[in-house]
Order: sequence, then C-alpha cells, then structure tokens
Amino acid sequence: DGGITQSPKYLFRKEGQNVTLSCEQNLNHDAMYWYRQDPGQGLRLIYYSQIVNDFQKGDIAEGYSVSREKKESFPLTVTSAQKNPTAFYLCASSTITTGLNTEAFFGQGTRLTVV
Amino acid sequence: AQKITQTQPGMFVQEKEAVTLDCTYDTSDQSYGLFWYKQPSSGEMIFLIYQGSYDEQNATEGRYSLNFQKARKSANLVISASQLGDSAMYFCAMREYTSGTYKYIFGTGTRLKVLA
Repeated sequence: DGGITQSPKYLFRKEGQNVTLSCEQNLNHDAMYWYRQDPGQGLRLIYYSQIVNDFQKGDIAEGYSVSREKKESFPLTVTSAQKNPTAFYLCASSTITTGLNTEAFFGQGTRLTVV
Repeated sequence: AQKITQTQPGMFVQEKEAVTLDCTYDTSDQSYGLFWYKQPSSGEMIFLIYQGSYDEQNATEGRYSLNFQKARKSANLVISASQLGDSAMYFCAMREYTSGTYKYIFGTGTRLKVLA
C-alpha cells in the first residue's frame, strides 16, 4: 500500500543532542513537508521540498535542518540549537500539479520529548 | 501571505446532532483550494473534504459538507448526524503558491467532543 512512514513513533532526547526523524513515502510525490504541532498552535511549517536536492525554509526553520537526497526520503534533524523541541512532528507529501484539489498526505507522526 | 483562522478552540455536540466548525481565510489569489482534515487522538491526519474557489456548489462527502461563502471568505465544515467517533481535532487548510512552490497552511484547529 502507498503511504508515508515516519519513524520512530516516540523519541526521547537528552538536552544538547541532535536527533533525526525519518520520513519515507512511496506515493511518488515530488513535494514533501515537515510540520510541528504544539497544543493550541495548529500545524506550523518547518521545511518543505519540491524536488530532490532542493528545499525551502518554512515559518519556524530555526534549530532544524533537512536533506532531500532521494525523492522518497525527507529526514528532519532537530539540532541542539532548537530551544524547545518537545512537540509532535508530522511529515506530509503531495504532488506538485497545478490542480487545486491536491491534498497533502500525512504520516503517523513522531512525538519527540526532551528529557 | 495567506492565513487561516479557526476561532473555536473547542466545541461540544450531542450525538446525532449536526455541528458547524468555522473557518475563515485570507488570500489575494483568485484561484485556491481549501481542505479540512480530521486528527483523532492517534495523531494521524485524515483528509475529509475539499472546496475549490471556482466550484459553484458546496462540496459534500457523506456526512461532511462545506458551507462555502466566497464573498465572506469562509469555508465552514458541517458534520451531520454526529457520531462518537467524530470526536477529534479538525483543521482547516489552504494550498498556497508562492515563489514557484506549493505549501499548505493550517489553522489552529477546533477540538470537537461528541457527547453520548
């Protein structure tokens, strides 16, 4: 079945450590996105990518980094520079067709907790 | 920049009744798409319904319908005959095209609780 796989589902990190969240899709989508979700703040865009080896900063990119070496993969690294990394992280993908009715597909999410 | 506003942090509805979740948006584009997603406590995002700016009729998908008022820039989700399984977070979203790229912007969400 086609879909988006995020791993791990739960992740614990010590302060000062970098950690990488995995996101893989087999939908053949060109675009991939990372969102952060905090209570009461909805989904905020961290980074997004339309093609391999290219990505753009979203609204809250500070303290995060990404790579897009393969079409199927878009890992997110939460660095020690991110002051408040505890949150729920969602990865999404979509086609880049100009059609308006192009919804984003989401993974199951990774809940990151700093201990 | 485009913006999505959901003014209802939480809503209650009695089982089998209808409920409306509000969404207003701000855009200068003539062509745009609006989406509603459901997020159960498990965290997954489930696509519910879509409305295009040029659609003359309101979108419907089973018990979900979208009350689209273009002049007022509102796209409210109506859930008819609420069920206990409808208890979840609901997000309104818009697909934005800027600087040659597409992205989705979301509102802050509404938490719906269906009462037995």
